[in-house]
Amino acid sequence: NAGVTQTPKFQVLKTGQSMTLQCAQDMNHNSMYWYRQDPGMGLRLIYYSASEGTTDKGEVPNGYNVSRLNKREFSLRLESAAPSQTSVYFCASRSGTAYEQYFGPGTRLTVT
Amino acid sequence: GIQVEQSPPDLILQEGANSTLRCNFSDSVNNLQWFHQNPWGQLINLFYIPSGTKQNGRLSATTVATERYSLLYISSSQTTDSGVYFCASQGGTYKYIFGTGTRLKVLA
Repeated sequence: NAGVTQTPKFQVLKTGQSMTLQCAQDMNHNSMYWYRQDPGMGLRLIYYSASEGTTDKGEVPNGYNVSRLNKREFSLRLESAAPSQTSVYFCASRSGTAYEQYFGPGTRLTVT
Repeated sequence: GIQVEQSPPDLILQEGANSTLRCNFSDSVNNLQWFHQNPWGQLINLFYIPSGTKQNGRLSATTVATERYSLLYISSSQTTDSGVYFCASQGGTYKYIFGTGTRLKVLA
């Protein structure tokens, strides 16, 4: 039982490049989330998926797209990376009946 | 939307000391969680505590939802307690709002 896994762990992009961050959970959770954490700040919600087949915007969705590929997987795509998107990205999941969120190890992204 | 304020923002302790961290909320507290982010960046669940008090070893937490705050107590602190402590409240059916954290450093 790996919990929530994220790939890659680290990534450096040039401005304008695109990439997809992958997240998978093996806990049979319904809801999945993408957050970003900037230095000295808490986590801010980018997008979430309440259940398979649905996605919704969070606090800071601009510049990102998401796909809930199936119940296990939730990906985050940067179509044209900008230096303002340099951050640590966390994926999380939550079951439908409990309220605790469980987090992946994070992806550290630098955009130059 | 709900605002979450954590205090103190920074805390330095000698090993063995006790501390209290606080979260204040601008609106109703829902399904509150406390997390520890260790120096390697991993976010670890400490407590799910929508109301009342829970204890887990040297850590305990209390949420008084009617007064819109939650407290995290750390007793006999150890260097491994260092990191950032976050509280988060559910701000909508599926959304969670995080505080900006308390950065704790425990000195040997």
